[in-house]
Amino acid sequence: DVKVTQSSRYLVKRTGEKVFLECVQDMDHENMFWYRQDPGLGLRLIYFSYDVKMKEKGDIPEGYSVSREKKERFSLILESASTNQTSMYLCASSLEGRGAYGYTFGSGTRLTVV
Amino acid sequence: QKEVEQNSGPLSVPEGAIASLNCTYSDRGSQSFFWYRQYSGKSPELIMSIYSNGDKEDGRFTAQLNKASQYVSLLIRDSQPSDSATYLCARTAYQLIWGAGTKLIIKP
Repeated sequence: DVKVTQSSRYLVKRTGEKVFLECVQDMDHENMFWYRQDPGLGLRLIYFSYDVKMKEKGDIPEGYSVSREKKERFSLILESASTNQTSMYLCASSLEGRGAYGYTFGSGTRLTVV
Repeated sequence: QKEVEQNSGPLSVPEGAIASLNCTYSDRGSQSFFWYRQYSGKSPELIMSIYSNGDKEDGRFTAQLNKASQYVSLLIRDSQPSDSATYLCARTAYQLIWGAGTKLIIKP
């Protein structure tokens, strides 16, 4: 069964900390995505990657960066965590970038910044 | 204008009835459409995809696509309390474009 694994289910960090959220997929997908989801705002795309070492900004990249050194791993980095980055973070991967076959999501990381 | 529109709900349906969820979109060039189900606190899971005009059935679920009118629907027959969730509609573009979701509540 295809799988997207996010390293942490719940995370509590302090304001100003550097935070790493890890995502690993075992489907040999080239496309990977990071979203955040907040009540009433739906899924908002932060960054995505169509290939190793390649990244593109999504709709809300400010305050975030990403790293994709290997095909199976896509990391989201909060350079200096702030309370407004408290959210559910969802990683997804897809066989085809435009989404023709849909996306597979990880189980999510609920991040709280205090 | 949002590219994918859904009524946020909540939509309340009695157990055993048909739940009808609707989604409209603004880009006539969209090729593929998806319905995802998301339980509270969980991640979205794909339940239906549809590519051609008409109906596509999978068990109790039927997806309906009308490209001329730019809407896609999801019907859930014999609704069960376990169907209570938020349903997200998405269409293909440069990436998937998501609606904000409709919260469905099935009342026993």
